[in-house]
Amino acid sequence: QVQLQESGPGLVKPSQTLSLACIVSGGSITNNDYLWSWIRQPPGKGLEWIGYIHHSSGRTYYNPSLKSRTAISMDTSKNQLSLELSSVTAADTAVYYCVRTPSGLLVRFDPWGQGILVTVSS
Amino acid sequence: DILMTQSPSSLSAFVGDRVTISCRASQSVNKYLNWYQYKPGTAPKLLIYAGSNLQSGVPSRFGGSGSGTEYTLTISGLQPEDFATYFCQQSYGSPYTFGQGTKLEI
Repeated sequence: QVQLQESGPGLVKPSQTLSLACIVSGGSITNNDYLWSWIRQPPGKGLEWIGYIHHSSGRTYYNPSLKSRTAISMDTSKNQLSLELSSVTAADTAVYYCVRTPSGLLVRFDPWGQGILVTVSS
Repeated sequence: DILMTQSPSSLSAFVGDRVTISCRASQSVNKYLNWYQYKPGTAPKLLIYAGSNLQSGVPSRFGGSGSGTEYTLTISGLQPEDFATYFCQQSYGSPYTFGQGTKLEI
């Protein structure tokens, strides 16, 4: 059973870069049947898909609203997914989730990590 | 972006009740519609995908229906563990977007 666990700093200063990692256990991130996504939820607001990465193609795809500030990457030696979000503001305060996504047309998110709260504040 | 609107935003019910939660898309999503359950402190859980397909391991009291822009999640015979927040998500067009959630309370 695949499990995902996010980690990283819980507090980031404005204008800095938010960096998170997601360790995947019980399955390989190099499995071509899956994409790996990041999703976030600001306090009191709805969920927002950030983007995904696919190992075999090396393809990344980002939400246009965040594309200019976002980078998703993989470290296959650690079976780990990473997210970097630059030039953060208070609006980037959110719970960040890493999620597995089956490749193909029926995009759905399962399973999810527990999530990590990141607060942007000086 | 495709806007997803859920109703109601909150709902009170009793154990054993049948409840329905609605999700409306700003344009047709052609059954590319998923439903999730969220409980605070836990990972969200996929319940229904492609409009009406029950995810493996999900109890059969959960059901999904709909087409075009209108979709419904039905829970028949509410159990205590079902009191949670439910949200829909479309995967018809990128960026993938979510409803704002429906909180189901006792």
